[in-house]
Amino acid sequence: AQSVTQPDIHITVSEGASLELRCNYSYGATPYLFWYVQSPGQGLQLLLKYFSGDTLVQGIKGFEAEFKRSQSSFNLRKPSVHWSDAAEYFCAVGPSGYSTLTFGKGTMLLVSP
Amino acid sequence: GAGVSQSPSNKVTEKGKDVELRCDPISGHTALYWYRQSLGQGLEFLIYFQGNSAPDKSGLPSDRFSAERTGGSVSTLTIQRTQQEDSAVYLCASSSGDPRSAQYFGPGTRLTVL
Repeated sequence: AQSVTQPDIHITVSEGASLELRCNYSYGATPYLFWYVQSPGQGLQLLLKYFSGDTLVQGIKGFEAEFKRSQSSFNLRKPSVHWSDAAEYFCAVGPSGYSTLTFGKGTMLLVSP
Repeated sequence: GAGVSQSPSNKVTEKGKDVELRCDPISGHTALYWYRQSLGQGLEFLIYFQGNSAPDKSGLPSDRFSAERTGGSVSTLTIQRTQQEDSAVYLCASSSGDPRSAQYFGPGTRLTVL
């Protein structure tokens, strides 16, 4: 069965500092991987997705993620965090872009001044 | 273009009542999904519609939950005889059905069962 682990429930980062959110997955074949962001009271917004090819993918809002098959990881990064990035971030895995997804429990990002 | 819309945005009901939640997917999207987001449980898959195929109902938690999709577009999730543990945010998503596509989510319906 597929699963996703986001080891950090909360992370606090100073504004302007770099960010890395961790995601580890368990999946038997080549996974389709996604990062979504959810602001309070909002739905999920797609940040980026990985299907194949280049293991470093660029997304919206200056985010990027790197797929590392050997580590079963798909960590999300941003070089300089803005206060507006404070939100909850979800990593998800599935067998394709249109199949049902398995989500991690989420990581809440807090940005300090 | 218009995104996924859901109604109502909030629903408060009494235990034992039936509720209907509506989802309007992105125009042209053939795949539609319902997820539930609750404290401590994260995001759980409920049901998946793809074109004219039989829906994947494997995530429905009980037979009190059902969903239909009319005309390959709008979907309604129905919860009968609501229980307090049904309180959650119900999220709908749609996808173009292309293997390289992604799911796009609506704003959700927050259901509170008193």
